[in-house]
Amino acid sequence: EVQLVESGGGLVQPGGSLRLSCAASGFTFSDHYMDWFRQAPGKGLEWVARSRNRASSYTTEYAASVKGRFIISRDDSKNSLYLQMNSLKTEDTAVYFCGRGNMATRYFDNWGQGTLVTVSS
Amino acid sequence: DIQLTQSPSFLSASVGDRVTFTCRASQGIGIYLAWYQQKLGKAPKLLIYAASTLQSGVPSRFSGSGSGTEFTLTISSLQPEDFATYYCQHLSSYPITFGQGTRLEIK
Repeated sequence: EVQLVESGGGLVQPGGSLRLSCAASGFTFSDHYMDWFRQAPGKGLEWVARSRNRASSYTTEYAASVKGRFIISRDDSKNSLYLQMNSLKTEDTAVYFCGRGNMATRYFDNWGQGTLVTVSS
Repeated sequence: DIQLTQSPSFLSASVGDRVTFTCRASQGIGIYLAWYQQKLGKAPKLLIYAASTLQSGVPSRFSGSGSGTEFTLTISSLQPEDFATYYCQHLSSYPITFGQGTRLEIK
């Protein structure tokens, strides 16, 4: 069974940093693109960042709203995806989800349950 | 950036009804469109990808159609578990974007 479990959320002050993790199991992690998404309270879904697989040289993409502040990375030996979030702003407050891109279609066929990040003084 | 506009934003319907949601893209995206269902406090669930392909395990009452700039998601006969928020998403280019969602509630 495919499982994605996020962790690392919490309360942080504006300007602070936080590192989110997504632990994967039940599939060959290294074969898949992996992405981060977020959802502000009461709002819609927003794509945050993508990490391509080894076959695609682990290249990355970012939403303009986080580029230069967030860094997506992965450790295939640990079946884990990460999101290093720096210079956090109040508008980064959201539930953060990791999602697996299907190998064939690239659409997001499995998601974690999310971890809440609150940026507030 | 490609903008996705969903309509309606809110829909009230009854069990057994047939409902259709629309997603319009600000520019052509071929068939690079997916539909997700999200229940309160839960992760999104992939329903349809490539505009019209039913994800494995999703009931056949869900169907998708369209290409280019206009897409639809249809539920042929609403069941109690279908009341949720539905989002479209494109994979045509970066950034990946979602529509603002359609909230489906019980009448």
